[in-house]
Amino acid sequence: KNQVEQSPQSLIILEGKNCTLQCNYTVSPFSNLRWYKQDTGRGPVSLTIMTFSENTKSNGRYTATLDADTKQSSLHITASQLSDSASYICVVSAILTGGGNKLTFGTGTQLKVEL
Amino acid sequence: DGGITQSPKYLFRKEGQNVTLSCEQNLNHDAMYWYRQDPGQGLRLIYYSQIVNDFQKGDIAEGYSVSREKKESFPLTVTSAQKNPTAFYLCASRTGDTSGNTIYFGEGSWLTVV
Repeated sequence: KNQVEQSPQSLIILEGKNCTLQCNYTVSPFSNLRWYKQDTGRGPVSLTIMTFSENTKSNGRYTATLDADTKQSSLHITASQLSDSASYICVVSAILTGGGNKLTFGTGTQLKVEL
Repeated sequence: DGGITQSPKYLFRKEGQNVTLSCEQNLNHDAMYWYRQDPGQGLRLIYYSQIVNDFQKGDIAEGYSVSREKKESFPLTVTSAQKNPTAFYLCASRTGDTSGNTIYFGEGSWLTVV
């Protein structure tokens, strides 16, 4: 069964500090992995997307890593800001037999940045 | 500006009623999706459509119905057969079903049964 597990479930950090969120998956066959940021009560917004051959990808203060061998990904946030407070969702895409792909969503890590 | 528009943002439904959530996109995307999000759970796929006049059931389609008469519109009807409809509903779209394409989400609709 395809699964995406994220940790920690929630996290509180001080403004300006760095943090790393984890994503472990068992999705197969793997196509790509995405990180989304979702503010409370709003739709998710794409941060990064990585394919099998990509190990790292940055988007401003966000840096995602992917280890396709161990099926792990991380999202590192540098110099956190209050506006980073949100849920961060890991989404893994599997290739379907016959074409197309299927997304499996993690339950997200709820990040709160405090003064 | 291009994007996905969901309406209404908040909707209350009496038991036994059908309600329809609207999803419109002006991104010229072929594929559109409806997801349901519950607290502590990942998004779950209700229905998806890869092309006009065609749609497929997702993982939790029971109690829901959709139509895709126009490329830019993919409304979701929550029927009285859906026993636990209170949730946050997200519509999404992307160009075709190519795995590498970015998926864009709407702002979501909150449905509450009263």
